[in-house]
Amino acid sequence: EAQVTQNPRYLITVTGKKLTVTCSQNMNHEYMSWYRQDPGLGLRQIYYSMNVEVTDKGDVPEGYKVSRKEKRNFPLILESPSPNQTSLYFCASRVRPGGETQYFGPGTRLLVL
Amino acid sequence: AQSVTQLDSQVPVFEEAPVELRCNYSSSVSVYLFWYVQYPNQGLQLLLKYLSGSTLVKGINGFEAEFNKSQTSFHLRKPSVHISDTAEYFCAVTFLQGGSEKLVFGKGTKLTVNP
Repeated sequence: EAQVTQNPRYLITVTGKKLTVTCSQNMNHEYMSWYRQDPGLGLRQIYYSMNVEVTDKGDVPEGYKVSRKEKRNFPLILESPSPNQTSLYFCASRVRPGGETQYFGPGTRLLVL
Repeated sequence: AQSVTQLDSQVPVFEEAPVELRCNYSSSVSVYLFWYVQYPNQGLQLLLKYLSGSTLVKGINGFEAEFNKSQTSFHLRKPSVHISDTAEYFCAVTFLQGGSEKLVFGKGTKLTVNP
């Protein structure tokens, strides 16, 4: 089944404790991205990747890192989480930029205390 | 700056009533247009998209949308809603300019269908 998976689905952590949210897709998509969803703000792009070893900042990259060492994986790293990073995070992928359908993971709900 | 505006943050309707969720975007450049739906505690899935051709696009679950270039709008409609249509709906626009593209999401509209 074609899908985007994320782990963990739920995470409670404390300020400053490094964490990684994994994302994997099995559709051989070139383009992957991370979004955060906050009430009243919709989805905002954090980082995106056009292909392996090619990443770039989205609209709200501060406090986040990503890497793209393999085509299928695109982990999101919070080196020192803060309470304002409490949010719902989605990983997404598509074949390429443009008019292609974007496929979303199920989401990771993060609470930073 | 390129932006996408969903004019209604919440839309309550009764079951079997028609509904229209409005979406406007800021720019006159070439665009691709999408509507995504998010059911409670799930990720987003594509309802329909407009890339080119006929301005009336039909999607899944009986939804349709019409692209109006002069009004820079892409409103979503359904003639008769069901309880199961209760969800949050996101309009998204890919702006195409100078060989680059940017996908921007609206802030979402929560549709609540009441019995």
